[in-house]
Amino acid sequence: DVKVTQSSRYLVKRTGEKVFLECVQDMDHENMFWYRQDPGLGLRLIYFSYDVKMKEKGDIPEGYSVSREKKERFSLILESASTNQTSMYLCASSFSGTGKYEQYFGPGTRLTVT
Amino acid sequence: SQQGEEDPQALSIQEGENATMNCSYKTSINNLQWYRQNSGRGLVHLILIRSNEREKHSGRLRVTLDTSKKSSSLLITASRAADTASYFCAMLGGFKTIFGAGTRLFVKA
Repeated sequence: DVKVTQSSRYLVKRTGEKVFLECVQDMDHENMFWYRQDPGLGLRLIYFSYDVKMKEKGDIPEGYSVSREKKERFSLILESASTNQTSMYLCASSFSGTGKYEQYFGPGTRLTVT
Repeated sequence: SQQGEEDPQALSIQEGENATMNCSYKTSINNLQWYRQNSGRGLVHLILIRSNEREKHSGRLRVTLDTSKKSSSLLITASRAADTASYFCAMLGGFKTIFGAGTRLFVKA
């Protein structure tokens, strides 16, 4: 069974703090993704990575950075948290290659920035 | 934007009834997927339909795809209270998967 875990289910941080969200997958997936989910907006892609040390910007990368030092781990970093980054953050992973498109999601981290 | 639009935004039905959700998109796609999300949880993949397919079944799920109209529908037959969740379509075109805003389904027991 594929498992994607996220370091926290709930997180409360103050404006200006540096925030680390960690994601680990155990299926040797090449691709990993960070999304944020807001009511009425669906999932929006922040960053994705298709290999170790590789990263690509998604649709809303501003205010975020990522790190992928090991294949199984993909970290999302909020350099200086702001209240408009209060959201649900979802990590996902998938295989590369033709025919393998399904993304496996973690349970999400609900981040509140006060 | 390539983002999909889902219709309706919310749907409330009685247990045993069928639920139909629709998804429209704007550009060419390689495949279209449907995901389910229980309240406050991650998404779970339900079914994938390729751009050269018109209909696909999986248990109580039936998905159709009309590439000429750039639309897809998800039908859940004989719904159960446990089907209460949000359902998202997701379009793969190029390298990125783009998710719609979702339909919230409530199935009343």
